[in-house]
Amino acid sequence: EAGVTQSPTHLIKTRGQQATLRCSPISGHTSVYWYQQALGLGLQFLLWYDEGEERNRGNFPPRFSGRQFPNYSSELNVNALELEDSALYLCASQAGADTQYFGPGTRLTVL
Amino acid sequence: QKEVEQNSGPLSVPEGAIASLNCTYSDRGSQSFFWYRQYSGKSPELIMFIYSNGDKEDGRFTAQLNKASQYVSLLIRDSQPSDSATYLCAVRVTGSARQLTFGSGTQLTVLP
Repeated sequence: EAGVTQSPTHLIKTRGQQATLRCSPISGHTSVYWYQQALGLGLQFLLWYDEGEERNRGNFPPRFSGRQFPNYSSELNVNALELEDSALYLCASQAGADTQYFGPGTRLTVL
Repeated sequence: QKEVEQNSGPLSVPEGAIASLNCTYSDRGSQSFFWYRQYSGKSPELIMFIYSNGDKEDGRFTAQLNKASQYVSLLIRDSQPSDSATYLCAVRVTGSARQLTFGSGTQLTVLP
């Protein structure tokens, strides 16, 4: 069974640009969670999508947004990039109230 | 007070010893508890989950939960150098918010 996949692996942007990160959940999982892991910091919850709807968001500004497609894959968009947005962005998928499994992450670097 | 607290370490143990990793949480409504292992530069991988008070064993790993004390721990028996990683404690509160709240992690080094 294929795990959670994320693309791209690495992404380099400059301040003010927009970044788009993608995630495909494990087959059969309908929930996708996005987390940010900045250097030296723990995982911070960003967004939760389930059945195509945004269910909850963490304490992040509105320039962090996303969506979930009918096939349950998801996209995270970060607008007006700032230097402090440089981090590892992790996607996790979950079936129902079960455990979360993480993808390999996208390393975003903002110059 | 942080919602999930872990001793950041680093924690060093000799090969073959027992490594004990601890985690406390603040929300009494927390229902599900998870331990993830994260190697440097990699994503977290699930080691164990525990929902009920007591011990849960899986191979060399034992998770212990004490809801009255709001405490969860992970024991690693016969520690190996390959166990050297950061261990993340995560908690989920039952209800509409299903995301995990993570501790900052404990860095474990197993010395050959």
